[in-house]
Amino acid sequence: DIQMTQSPSSLSASVGDRVTITCRASQDISTYLVWYQQKPGKVPNLLIYTASTLQSGVPSRFAGSGSGTDFTLTISSLQPEDVATYYCQGYNSGSYTFGQGTRLEIK
Amino acid sequence: QVQLVQSGAEVKKPGASVKVSCKASGYTFSKFDIHWVRQAPGQGLEWMGWMNPKGGDTLYAQKFQDRVSMTTNTSISTAYMELSSLRADDTAVYFCARGRKAAGIRFDPWGQGTLVVVSS
Repeated sequence: DIQMTQSPSSLSASVGDRVTITCRASQDISTYLVWYQQKPGKVPNLLIYTASTLQSGVPSRFAGSGSGTDFTLTISSLQPEDVATYYCQGYNSGSYTFGQGTRLEIK
Repeated sequence: QVQLVQSGAEVKKPGASVKVSCKASGYTFSKFDIHWVRQAPGQGLEWMGWMNPKGGDTLYAQKFQDRVSMTTNTSISTAYMELSSLRADDTAVYFCARGRKAAGIRFDPWGQGTLVVVSS
């Protein structure tokens, strides 16, 4: 099975900052990469799929990039409502694997 | 709107089984896979497997292969996940999610989650 490794595990940034979260796959997954946002006590919410396609209704300050084994999620201007844990998910050979999550807080 | 509604919280003893349901509405149930994901308290998301309601195909994560069974009842648009031989570390919130493939693989939407507590 593939392994998905996110970094950092947690980060603290100020409102308006540009924030980047990275996700690395243990093998080539092309662009089979999804990002979810999970706010405290809530259900995961789809943000981005196929590495860079923004889900309808998601603010344009969120962007995804990458292919193969290295991917990034970027928030161009951090907002208070972005406080959440972010998970990447990779797909390979029928197996879907989540990263361990990145907890994002406001400084 | 597309919605997945799960059954209520459960408390089980070690060694018992639990069966969680997930009722779909707002779309043609047989056209999309149903995935199951769990989240232990304070931990991350863990994919358990999926089932195709139309053909009955399943694929389970290796970790759960010996203990999980995923089924559906297409007549009532409901999916089920049964986990047996429960242990304390199976205590978690269990989510169902609709799997989409067209234009890219993703899970959307998710059910509200079902808390399963395993305790003696």
